[in-house]
Amino acid sequence: AQSVTQPDIHITVSEGASLELRCNYSYGATPYLFWYVQSPGQGLQLLLKYFSGDTLVQGIKGFEAEFKRSQSSFNLRKPSVHWSDAAEYFCAVFMDSNYQLIWGAGTKLIIKP
Amino acid sequence: DAGITQSPRHKVTETGTPVTLRCHQTENHRYMYWYRQDPGHGLRLIHYSYGVKDTDKGEVSDGYSVSRSKTEDFLLTLESATSSQTSVYFCAIGGDQETQYFGPGTRLLVL
Repeated sequence: AQSVTQPDIHITVSEGASLELRCNYSYGATPYLFWYVQSPGQGLQLLLKYFSGDTLVQGIKGFEAEFKRSQSSFNLRKPSVHWSDAAEYFCAVFMDSNYQLIWGAGTKLIIKP
Repeated sequence: DAGITQSPRHKVTETGTPVTLRCHQTENHRYMYWYRQDPGHGLRLIHYSYGVKDTDKGEVSDGYSVSRSKTEDFLLTLESATSSQTSVYFCAIGGDQETQYFGPGTRLLVL
């Protein structure tokens, strides 16, 4: 069955430190992959997406993600986090069989001053 | 930002009453979705629509119905609200390259 796993429920990072949020997926076909961010009390905002081509994808707010087919992973990275990056991050994979997204459970990012 | 609005943004209701949430888009997208978000469960799909009058069930459709009589509007109805339906409800539209764009959400409290 198709699934998306975000192994870390919470991650705490110091301001200015680098960040990597993990996402693993299980999907038979070539995946369309997404990262969304949700600030407290807000809706979800698209950070970046991978459909094809270059496996390193650049997004908004200085984020990037790398698709690794051999590891079924799509990890999100940022070289230096800011306090405003504190939010919940969701990974998702698109299923073209029924035009739906399969969602990970989310990772809450906490920034230490 | 994609043109998606949700109304109401907040609602308090009593158990057993019907509730309708509205999602309105100005993007003319074919696909629209209703999700609920609860702590520990992430986002769960309730219903979705792939065109006017064309809808289908998602993962957690029991107790919910939807209607789409116009491209721009997708209504979610709780037939008889229960406390387990207290949640934050998000509408999304399916844009280019299968990307979904989300509305601001509706916080529903069922007493």
